[in-house]
Parts: sequence; C-alpha cells; structure tokens
Amino acid sequence: DIQMTQSPSTLSASVGDRVTITCRASQSINSWLAWYQQKPGEAPNLLIYKTSNLENGVPSRFSGSGSGTEFTLTISSLQPDDFAIYFCQQYNTFWTFGQGTKVEIK
Amino acid sequence: EVQLVESGGGLVQPGGSLRLSCAASGFTFSSYEMNWVRQAPGKGLEWVAYISSTGGTIHYADSVKGRFTISRDNAKSSLYLQMNSLRAEDAGVYSCARISLQLWRNWGQGTLVTVSS
Repeated sequence: DIQMTQSPSTLSASVGDRVTITCRASQSINSWLAWYQQKPGEAPNLLIYKTSNLENGVPSRFSGSGSGTEFTLTISSLQPDDFAIYFCQQYNTFWTFGQGTKVEIK
Repeated sequence: EVQLVESGGGLVQPGGSLRLSCAASGFTFSSYEMNWVRQAPGKGLEWVAYISSTGGTIHYADSVKGRFTISRDNAKSSLYLQMNSLRAEDAGVYSCARISLQLWRNWGQGTLVTVSS
C-alpha cells in the first residue's frame, strides 16, 4: 500500500502570507496527486489534480508542484476564505490520503 | 446540482452488521464510478471500496476485504455498503463519493457509524 505523509499537521498564518504544505509518498506515484480543501461542515472540494492542474474555478493563488514522491501545495497570498483543512490524495494505485493540514489564523 | 446523501449509520455492537445507503441525484448515476470512504475520529481519510459504473468491477481496501460488500442499484440511483463483522476500528463517518477520471469530484456529508458494546 502507498502511504502518504503530509506536513505540517497545523499551520498558523496571516492573511497575505505565502503558505506551503508538503506531501510525501512512500513510493513513486508519478504525477497522480490531488489536493483538496475542506471547510467545517462541508464536503471536500477538489483544488488541484495531476500535481499541478487547477480545477475549474479555483483561484490562481493556489498552485501545486512535485513529482515522484515529493509534492507541495502553495497558496501564494493567503485569503480569509482559505482558512480550512487541506489534504493530499494519491491516485496512482487506488487512493490514499494524507492526514491533512489545518491552516489556521495566526 | 449533484447531491449525495448517506444514511443507515448508527450504533452497532462488535461483530454486528449495518447497511449504509447513498442516494444520488443531479447527475446520471449509472454513468459514474463510486467510492466509499471513511474517517475515524481524529484520523485521516481512508478509502474503503470502489465500484464501477455497471457494478462489474469492485475493489476493497485490505482492512475491509471479506467483511464489507459494495453494491449499487442504478435504477434507484443508489449506492450501498453492507458491513458485517464490525470491529471497533470500523467506527467513523462513512461518505460516498462520485468518481470522474479517478478524481473525487463530489462527496456526501457522511453518516456516523459507532461500534461499541
């Protein structure tokens, strides 16, 4: 089974900050990595697929990069609406999720 | 608007059974693959089971293989998860999700399963 290790688990930041979240796979997943955002009481929302492709309607301040086993999600300038939980998902072999990163207000 | 509404959760004793349902609307259910996913309290998401659009291909996570059965009724736009021999570690919120090109584009809010004596 492919394990996904996401860090940090919690991130305190201010509006306007540049934020980076990392996801590491236990083996190569090529580029089959997605990022989701989840707000309290809501279902997760797909942000990025295949490492760096923005889902329709997702603001351009979100970006993804990486390959093989190391991936990052970057928010270039954190906005009030971005305080949420973010998690990665590999879909190279079935699906495995990272533990999630809570982005909270500093 | 795509809607996925789960039901059937509740309290069950270890070794017991439960059947979860997921009612789908707002899209052509028979055209989409579906998944069940769960989240235990304080833990991350865990994929549970997959079913193809026709039901002809099914996959399970190792943790539930032999105990859980995923099925669907395309005429009723419904997805099911039969859970047998339940264990304490099966407790959590179970959600269904619509799959498109391996991506989980729509999720339900989930139904809570509690396994306790």
